[in-house]
Amino acid sequence: GAVVSQHPSWVICKSGTSVKIECRSLDFQATTMFWYRQFPKQSLMLMATSNEGSKATYEQGVEKDKFLINHASLTLSTLTVTSAHPEDSSFYICSAREGTPKSYEQYFGPGTRLTVT
Amino acid sequence: SQKIEQNSEALNIQEGKTATLTCNYTNYSPAYLQWYRQDPGRGPVFLLLIRENEKEKRKERLKVTFDTTLKQSLFHITASQPADSATYLCAHYSSASKIIFGSGTRLSIRP
Repeated sequence: GAVVSQHPSWVICKSGTSVKIECRSLDFQATTMFWYRQFPKQSLMLMATSNEGSKATYEQGVEKDKFLINHASLTLSTLTVTSAHPEDSSFYICSAREGTPKSYEQYFGPGTRLTVT
Repeated sequence: SQKIEQNSEALNIQEGKTATLTCNYTNYSPAYLQWYRQDPGRGPVFLLLIRENEKEKRKERLKVTFDTTLKQSLFHITASQPADSATYLCAHYSSASKIIFGSGTRLSIRP
C-alpha cells in the first residue's frame, strides 16, 4: 500500500526558533498534500492544502506567514513553523493523495510531535 | 455549515462484545463517509469508505452502515478484542475535496 513518511518523528525546539517538518510519499506521486494539527485529546484539524508547484491554500485562522508550506515535488512537502512558541506545540500530521481523478483515498503519515520550550 | 459529529467521546466495552460507534452529519449530504483508526502518537489509518448509495460495507470484523434518512453512519466491531482499543474517527470529503474529521471516539476494550 501507499506509504507516507514524516521526518522528524519528534522535535524539541526553543521558543523563537524555526522548525521544518518533511512529508514524503514513498511509492506514489502525490499531487496534493495536506497538513493537519492535532492537540491532545482532540481531532485532526486541517491547516492547509498544497498542490505540487503552487502556493498552499490555508484554512481560516491558520497564519500562512507562520506556517510555511512548500510542495516543490510530487513526493515531498515541507511545513516550516517559524518563530515557534509554546502554543505551537502539537502533533503535526501530513497526508497525501495520488493524482488520479478517481482517487479519493488519502494516506497519512505517522505524525511529528513538536514541543516548543 | 457542514458538520460531522461523533457524540461519544469514549466508549468502554467488554471483550467479545460488539462495539458500535456513531457518526452524525448535518447541513449537507456527503457522497462518502470514511472511518479511520488512530493509535496514540500515530497518524490515522484508513479502515473503510462507504458511499451514500451503499447501505452497508464489511471488512473482516468491521461493518459500516450509512443511513441517509437519519444522516448517520454506524461503525461496528464484532467480537471485540483489547487490540481494537484506539480512537476511531469518522470523516467526510468537504465540497472542496478535503477530508474533514469528526472529533473521534476513544474505544477501550477490557479483557
